[in-house]
Amino acid sequence: KAGVTQTPRYLIKTRGQQVTLSCSPISGHRSVSWYQQTPGQGLQFLFEYFSETQRNKGNFPGRFSGRQFSNSRSEMNVSTLELGDSALYLCASNGGDTGELFFGEGSRLTVL
Amino acid sequence: AQRVTQPEKLLSVFKGAPVELKCNYSYSGSPELFWYVQYSRQRLQLLLRHISRESIKGFTADLNKGETSFHLKKPFAQEEDSAMYYCALSYYGNNRLAFGKGNQVVVIP
Repeated sequence: KAGVTQTPRYLIKTRGQQVTLSCSPISGHRSVSWYQQTPGQGLQFLFEYFSETQRNKGNFPGRFSGRQFSNSRSEMNVSTLELGDSALYLCASNGGDTGELFFGEGSRLTVL
Repeated sequence: AQRVTQPEKLLSVFKGAPVELKCNYSYSGSPELFWYVQYSRQRLQLLLRHISRESIKGFTADLNKGETSFHLKKPFAQEEDSAMYYCALSYYGNNRLAFGKGNQVVVIP
């Protein structure tokens, strides 16, 4: 099976812009989670989608949003980018065993 | 608040020596705990989970509810064990995981 695929892998934006990141889960996986990883805060949960519905949400401002499509692919969007949004954004899919997440390689966002 | 603490950022051990990575958690419910590992230039991946109670790559971890700990142990470190290790806690039995800050393990030949 192909692993979790995230695009783009790297991107540079400026403050105030918005960004959309994409994640294709492992075939058959219906749960997709997003995490933000920074040197200071480590890995922090953003949200989880299951069957096109947001199932869990972390403690991030409303500028961070996401969605999931009928084929389980997911996107996350960050609007009005701030310097502090610079991070590695990781997507993970899950096939049913709680907590067993399969991670992608991440999308590294730099905000200038 | 749910929290996972990994006190040591960097751990250097000689090949063949025992390795122990400490993980403490704070959680009011019934915890589900995991260890994830990231080898150089690889993705973050699940190493083991407490409910499995199995040994993976020689690693074991025992959940101690009294001490709220889930330490990872291996009796004889190998060079291929050099990696970043993260302890993680599942919120309310779902896929929302709280991760510790991680331990960088370096095994010296």
